[in-house]
Amino acid sequence: AQTVTQSQPEMSVQEAETVTLSCTYDTSESDYYLFWYKQPPSRQMILVIRQEAYKQQNATENRFSVNFQKAAKSFSLKISDSQLGDAAMYFCAYRTNSGGSNYKLTFGKGTLLTVNP
Amino acid sequence: DAGVIQSPRHEVTEMGQEVTLRCKPISGHNSLFWYRQTMMRGLELLIYFNNNVPIDDSGMPEDRFSAKMPNASFSTLKIQPSEPRDSAVYFCASSPDPRTELYNEQFFGPGTRLTVL
Repeated sequence: AQTVTQSQPEMSVQEAETVTLSCTYDTSESDYYLFWYKQPPSRQMILVIRQEAYKQQNATENRFSVNFQKAAKSFSLKISDSQLGDAAMYFCAYRTNSGGSNYKLTFGKGTLLTVNP
Repeated sequence: DAGVIQSPRHEVTEMGQEVTLRCKPISGHNSLFWYRQTMMRGLELLIYFNNNVPIDDSGMPEDRFSAKMPNASFSTLKIQPSEPRDSAVYFCASSPDPRTELYNEQFFGPGTRLTVL
């Protein structure tokens, strides 16, 4: 079974600075997706960024980028120019793409990000 | 599109009572997921439907939990009888068919916060 580990329960960053959230995962599969979801206090789950395992290029979405290291099974999220609205719980998630029929998301325990003005 | 709709948003009930949570997926999506979020266990899949058929119900805690998807636009998660340890936020998510959609994303509803006294 796949597992996702987020080793930082909490992180903080100054507004306009850069912060990196860590995520590692364990899988024997070669074809999969990785995601970062944001959950603000409203508790709505919002997709921040996704990465396909067969793509070597790291995904970017505006101020959000990832560092995907497939061999190391590492998938970190970098938030540049942090804004107060970035304060939230961030979840790393894994989803198989290896055929079969189970496409559930497996989540890490989350990292609570605080942005200080 | 209205997104994934869940009702009720909040539910407070007493131990032993029956609880029914409802979900309307995004029109055209044929995969539906029920997740539960607790402080102790984080986000975990309860059950996953594809084309109204349950594919993986291994996350359903016990016989007190049941889920149905009578048609493509409606699903229920029922707990009978409810217990205090069932208190959690329950999310419903939907997605296009993961087997045919390359950029597959699960869209989450706002969640139902359940409190069992």
